[in-house]
Amino acid sequence: DADVTQTPRNRITKTGKRIMLECSQTKGHDRMYWYRQDPGLGLRLIYYSFDVKDINKGEISDGYSVSRQAQAKFSLSLESAIPNQTALYFCATSEDSVKNIQYFGAGTRLSVL
Amino acid sequence: RKEVEQDPGPFNVPEGATVAFNCTYSNSASQSFFWYRQDCRKEPKLLMSVYSSGNEDGRFTAQLNRASQYISLLIRDSKLSDSATYLCVVTPNFGNEKLTFGTGTRLTIIP
Repeated sequence: DADVTQTPRNRITKTGKRIMLECSQTKGHDRMYWYRQDPGLGLRLIYYSFDVKDINKGEISDGYSVSRQAQAKFSLSLESAIPNQTALYFCATSEDSVKNIQYFGAGTRLSVL
Repeated sequence: RKEVEQDPGPFNVPEGATVAFNCTYSNSASQSFFWYRQDCRKEPKLLMSVYSSGNEDGRFTAQLNRASQYISLLIRDSKLSDSATYLCVVTPNFGNEKLTFGTGTRLTIIP
């Protein structure tokens, strides 16, 4: 089983719909991250969390919100999806800030029509 | 100027050849450097960290040049399985834990 699991793996939705992407991990890491990847732009950080009570905005947080329900779970919501949120979304964890090696989930491919 | 820049490629290289590519970064205070590998439609995975003294892992060698602000990745005796996109990743400075990802260099090994 994967250490970092994302659900769903693929999702097609319509403009204006609320969407939640879920991430769970069995690595026991405190730090969790949400990224989006677009062709030609690389991975960009949306939100990150260092523990259950900690939420931080990343580079492109507008239009997104997150919830850290437990150490192992970090969900990303699109309150009202728009077409330019069509992208590949990755959740990641890291053990500490010294090495900051990121372990990624398999990704969620989201299409907003 | 982008914080992290990579030649997008593609690099098409015959099997068994040696290939190298660089990544430049703009923040001279950057502290940590990594190469990640990403297969098509898959998640990025750490290939290797890059240390100041340079480091080697089997057929892969990573180098850091702080004076010119670039890191490099050398792959020797390339295999078909090396075909992937290679992402350069930089941590801006101590205390800033957010990674900056390059857009990646696509490598295809040709039989």
